[in-house]
Amino acid sequence: GAVVSQHPSRVICKSGTSVKIECRSLDFQATTMFWYRQFPKKSLMLMATSNEGSKATYEQGVEKDKFLINHASLTLSTLTVTSAHPEDSSFYICSARDQGGGNYGYTFGSGTRLTVV
Amino acid sequence: QKEVEQDPGPLSVPEGAIVSLNCTYSNSAFQYFMWYRQYSRKGPELLMYTYSSGNKEDGRFTAQVDKSSKYISLFIRDSQPSDSATYLCATLLGGGATNKLIFGTGTLLAVQP
Repeated sequence: GAVVSQHPSRVICKSGTSVKIECRSLDFQATTMFWYRQFPKKSLMLMATSNEGSKATYEQGVEKDKFLINHASLTLSTLTVTSAHPEDSSFYICSARDQGGGNYGYTFGSGTRLTVV
Repeated sequence: QKEVEQDPGPLSVPEGAIVSLNCTYSNSAFQYFMWYRQYSRKGPELLMYTYSSGNKEDGRFTAQVDKSSKYISLFIRDSQPSDSATYLCATLLGGGATNKLIFGTGTLLAVQP
């Protein structure tokens, strides 16, 4: 089945620094990838939709300049948290849509636990 | 009103019990419904999916959609400790390439051996 690899799985960074998270579709091409944020005991909140070769579409309330998304190829999307602050600490999860799976073809990465100290 | 509502639990059951997980949704236009299972510190994995109303069975799992009441259910028979996880219901918003998954809060299930 479709596999999405997300790295790193865990990262601790100092306040004010930037962190890059990678999301790769390993065995399929994904024109569309999604980035979610999940707080403890809360649901996944869609942050943005990443489109290969074009600008990402951000959800209302998500700061574009803070969460930079690049989808430079059909198998790789990156999320960069810029000038991270402790309130950015969270679990970030990416998802890629496998066209072959139709409306149910959303595969998720294993997530990245970001801790900003 | 949230688009998808789900009781966060936690829900604790003994091994072998039948588990019932439920969600309600607000938009009658939703057609595609999914259940995801998420283990601790992992990404969600697709467990079951259904289209419109009706039942779908896969092994010990049964997904049920009642569009008249906007109710989604997942039943787990003969529950096992390995079923302990967070279960998220989801539906699709939008159409075609702009489809977006909308998740419920997730229900934390613990199956006690």
